[in-house]
Amino acid sequence: AQSVSQHNHHVILSEAASLELGCNYSYGGTVNLFWYVQYPGQHLQLLLKYFSGDPLVKGIKGFEAEFIKSKFSFNLRKPSVQWSDTAEYFCAVSHYNQGGKLIFGQGTELSVKP
Amino acid sequence: SQTIHQWPATLVQPVGSPLSLECTVEGTSNPNLYWYRQAAGRGLQLLFYSVGIGQISSEVPQNLSASRPQDRQFILSSKKLLLSDSGFYLCAWSRLADAYEQYFGPGTRLTVT
Repeated sequence: AQSVSQHNHHVILSEAASLELGCNYSYGGTVNLFWYVQYPGQHLQLLLKYFSGDPLVKGIKGFEAEFIKSKFSFNLRKPSVQWSDTAEYFCAVSHYNQGGKLIFGQGTELSVKP
Repeated sequence: SQTIHQWPATLVQPVGSPLSLECTVEGTSNPNLYWYRQAAGRGLQLLFYSVGIGQISSEVPQNLSASRPQDRQFILSSKKLLLSDSGFYLCAWSRLADAYEQYFGPGTRLTVT
């Protein structure tokens, strides 16, 4: 069965620090990859997505993620975090021909100290 | 613009009681609809999805059921709640043409006592 692992449950950073959140999935076929974010008091929303092409994808608010097929990974990065990036981040995977059936990771809570 | 509503926002129910959670979408037609559950310390688990009225697919065997009586209405139900049904329930919708980008509702916090 497909599964998604996020290595960090809770990450605490100071403003301007660099961020990398790990995400690994277990599925050997063609996949689509996503990062969703939930800011405090807001709905879960899409941050970025990868379907095909350039494995380095850019999302909103300066976030990017790199798909490394050989490592089954899709890590999220940001060079310099801001206090407003405090949120919970979810990695998700979908098999390319399974419509909208997303498999989510456990989530990583990011706290950015001003 | 499209909006998604869920109610109630919070619910405390005793074991063995029935459940009905409602989700409605505005501003779009023929959406795909989804029910997810997030248990404490775990990610979101897809429970049900629907591609049309009366068309429901169940992803995991459980004590819950779903129905879609209208195009933009999705209901999650149970005849008898279990303690293990406690969690955070999220409804989501997506366009048929782009099912991967899902838009989530505010969620319902269910505590079964």
